Amino acid sequence: GENVEQHPSTLSVQEGDSAVIKCTYSDSASNYFPWYKQELGKRPQLIIDIRSNVGEKKDQRIAVTLNKTAKHFSLHITETQPEDSAVYFCAAKGGSYIPTFGRGTSLIVHP
Amino acid sequence: GAGVSQSPSNKVTEKGKDVELRCDPISGHTALYWYRQSLGQGLEFLIYFQGNSAPDKSGLPSDRFSAERTGGSVSTLTIQRTQQEDSAVYLCASSLASPRDRAYNEQFFGPGTRLTVL
Repeated sequence: GENVEQHPSTLSVQEGDSAVIKCTYSDSASNYFPWYKQELGKRPQLIIDIRSNVGEKKDQRIAVTLNKTAKHFSLHITETQPEDSAVYFCAAKGGSYIPTFGRGTSLIVHP
Repeated sequence: GAGVSQSPSNKVTEKGKDVELRCDPISGHTALYWYRQSLGQGLEFLIYFQGNSAPDKSGLPSDRFSAERTGGSVSTLTIQRTQQEDSAVYLCASSLASPRDRAYNEQFFGPGTRLTVL
């Protein structure tokens, strides 16, 4: 089945800095890659997703890049703000068709 | 509209007791998923429903865990003879389309049930 590795497990940045979270996947048939944000005590919510037919997608301060050859994708957050502090999960949906999630990255943005 | 709801929000039980966790998906969503999230861990897939059938039960950790879905809507996750290692947040999610559908997109998560087994 699919295996998703996510790094780092914890990321601490200063307000205004950029943050990058990286994920790798194992199933070359994976075709859908969502990113979820989970604030403390709340439910995960989709913030951005990308499909395998594009290499990059942007939405204001967040962007996701996908390298199918290397089987990795990354989340980029620019001009970080304290409200960006949360746990971020990547996921990949492949041949098994159930999204497989990474273990999460705890992002801390210091004011 | 209403999102995914789960009940109870918190459940404390004694080791050896049975518990039932409920999930109400978004109306019209055909796919429903159960995940388990242990402290500081990722989302561990348990079971997936398409309509009332469960094509994928591969994530259920033992035969103490079972789930059903009726009327293509509400789902119940049952844990029998609970153990301390069952303590976790149990999340339910639903999606409009089957994950096999090329138009498949996001999963909508419920707020979770925090289960504590003493």
